[in-house]
Amino acid sequence: NAGVTQTPKFRVLKTGQSMTLLCAQDMNHEYMYWYRQDPGMGLRLIHYSVGEGTTAKGEVPDGYNVSRLKKQNFLLGLESAAPSQTSVYFCASSYQHLTSGLTGELFFGEGSRLTVL
Amino acid sequence: AQSVTQLDSHVSVSEGTPVLLRCNYSSSYSPSLFWYVQHPNKGLQLLLKYTSAATLVKGINGFEAEFKKSETSFHLTKPSAHMSDAAEYFCVFRTSGTYKYIFGTGTRLKVLA
Repeated sequence: NAGVTQTPKFRVLKTGQSMTLLCAQDMNHEYMYWYRQDPGMGLRLIHYSVGEGTTAKGEVPDGYNVSRLKKQNFLLGLESAAPSQTSVYFCASSYQHLTSGLTGELFFGEGSRLTVL
Repeated sequence: AQSVTQLDSHVSVSEGTPVLLRCNYSSSYSPSLFWYVQHPNKGLQLLLKYTSAATLVKGINGFEAEFKKSETSFHLTKPSAHMSDAAEYFCVFRTSGTYKYIFGTGTRLKVLA
């Protein structure tokens, strides 16, 4: 059982280049998230999705776009990379309890380390 | 506003001694609270979670946490630290009525031989 898989794991970009990070989950989870992790700042939410075909902005969405065309995949795009986007990016998914309707815990991928020169 | 605060950015303990990592939250509603651990260059792994059931929550690897509503705290403890516990720990709060999770800034635990 793979859980949450992120590709690529490492990438180096030049300023102005574009790229897409792919997140795939095999747990049939409704909710998916993209976070960035920077030293001393914890994890900050970039965008999230509560279902196929829906996306929403988090606390640091500028410079990023996302798409969720299939339930199992959540793509994070950088249209024109900037050095400030050098970070470790984490994808996560979560579910809704069938009985309580409450959202459960987050399941994380291993992270994607992006360096923008 | 809803928030979560980890009171210590770094904690050092000797192997075999107790571990205490502190977390306070701010919310007008009953929260869901989680502790995650992150080893170097790895993703985050769930240690334990509180979702309005028992206030004393037991997790993996001997960790436990107690939800104290009167103190708005959810501190993580372990009776005896092991070298393999050295990692960064995150307290996470789920906001009521939304799908968002709020992360503390993390506590780096160092275990001394």
